[in-house]
Amino acid sequence: AQSVTQPDIHITVSEGASLELRCNYSYGATPYLFWYVQSPGQGLQLLLKYFSGDTLVQGIKGFEAEFKRSQSSFNLRKPSVHWSDAAEYFCAVGAVTSGTYKYIFGTGTRLKVLA
Amino acid sequence: NAGVTQTPKFRVLKTGQSMTLLCAQDMNHEYMYWYRQDPGMGLRLIHYSVGEGTTAKGEVPDGYNVSRLKKQNFLLGLESAAPSQTSVYFCASSDWTGRGGYTFGSGTRLTVV
Repeated sequence: AQSVTQPDIHITVSEGASLELRCNYSYGATPYLFWYVQSPGQGLQLLLKYFSGDTLVQGIKGFEAEFKRSQSSFNLRKPSVHWSDAAEYFCAVGAVTSGTYKYIFGTGTRLKVLA
Repeated sequence: NAGVTQTPKFRVLKTGQSMTLLCAQDMNHEYMYWYRQDPGMGLRLIHYSVGEGTTAKGEVPDGYNVSRLKKQNFLLGLESAAPSQTSVYFCASSDWTGRGGYTFGSGTRLTVV
């Protein structure tokens, strides 16, 4: 069965520092991969996505992610974090199950940014 | 450009009461979903629909019913609310390819007392 693991529940970084959020998935083929961000009291917003081609993808707000097939990973990175990046981040895998396309979400990583 | 609109945004119910959450999308998306979000558990799929007139069960369907009479609307019903249904509910939609990702509504915070 497909699954998504975000091993870090909370991460704290200082403003201006670099950031990497981890995501590992389990799926028999190359899935569609996504990162979403959720600010407090808000819905989820799509940051970036991967389904084929270049394994390094750029997203909004200066984020990027790299798909590594050998490690079944799709880690999210940002070179310099801003205070406004404090939020919860969700990795998601999209795959066809029982003939229907569905997403599976990780349990999220909450990012705290220190001034 | 509304995207996905959920109503209401907040609701408090007494145990045993019923209610309907409404989701409306204006992007002509085929697929629509209802998720619940609970602390430490991520998003769990309740029900989904792959087109007008169709519905299917997700991961946690018990206690909920859905209907999709029109392509743009997806209703989530609680027939007899229980405290375990206290959660934040999100509606989302996508095209049939899935490549564009989901568009989410802003959520409904439901408390059952």
